[in-house]
Amino acid sequence: GAVVSQHPSWVICKSGTSVKIECRSLDFQATTMFWYRQFPKQSLMLMATSNEGSKATYEQGVEKDKFLINHASLTLSTLTVTSAHPEDSSFYICSVKLGNTIYFGEGSWLTVV
Amino acid sequence: GNSVTQMEGPVTLSEEAFLTINCTYTATGYPSLFWYVQYPGEGLQLLLKATKADDKGSNKGFEATYRKETTSFHLEKGSVQVSDSAVYFCALSILQGAQKLVFGQGTRLTINP
Repeated sequence: GAVVSQHPSWVICKSGTSVKIECRSLDFQATTMFWYRQFPKQSLMLMATSNEGSKATYEQGVEKDKFLINHASLTLSTLTVTSAHPEDSSFYICSVKLGNTIYFGEGSWLTVV
Repeated sequence: GNSVTQMEGPVTLSEEAFLTINCTYTATGYPSLFWYVQYPGEGLQLLLKATKADDKGSNKGFEATYRKETTSFHLEKGSVQVSDSAVYFCALSILQGAQKLVFGQGTRLTINP
């Protein structure tokens, strides 16, 4: 069965608005989750590491004020894209580590119009 | 630094053909190696993995052997099916570190009947 659940799978928002994506670990606690972004025909790039109870760690070049990450509980991390623009349209996917394996959520397709 | 280089796609084969997708890596430390598959419209799924040198990961007829001497983890399948059409990502993680994944650029595979 699924290890990680992500919601929503698809979202369309207007330019200038904010959108929140949730990542949940199912039946286990995850102190660390990872957020990736995949532009069309490109590989996944790590955006940030979400740490439960503390600030997220962002990769170089990722705007922390634009991509707000909140890991408020051991089973939930959220990514909020603030003041979204069409260039933020992408596939966002989270992952968690269970044992020695990293599992991914289903991903969220964001389209900003 | 850590990096993964994959065979450039797209790759198009006929059903029942033999498949090889090359993957080489550069890593500090002792990485674990993974192949992930992304079917159309879906998130990433772990296909197989190997955690130490000479290990062979296998799943759904796919195999890959962790070759430390050549720093490679090539994906192979003896007889592909139309349902194998997807994007395949080679990845590594350094378990001693942040445990985040570094991906190759992905290889799009199309199998024709």
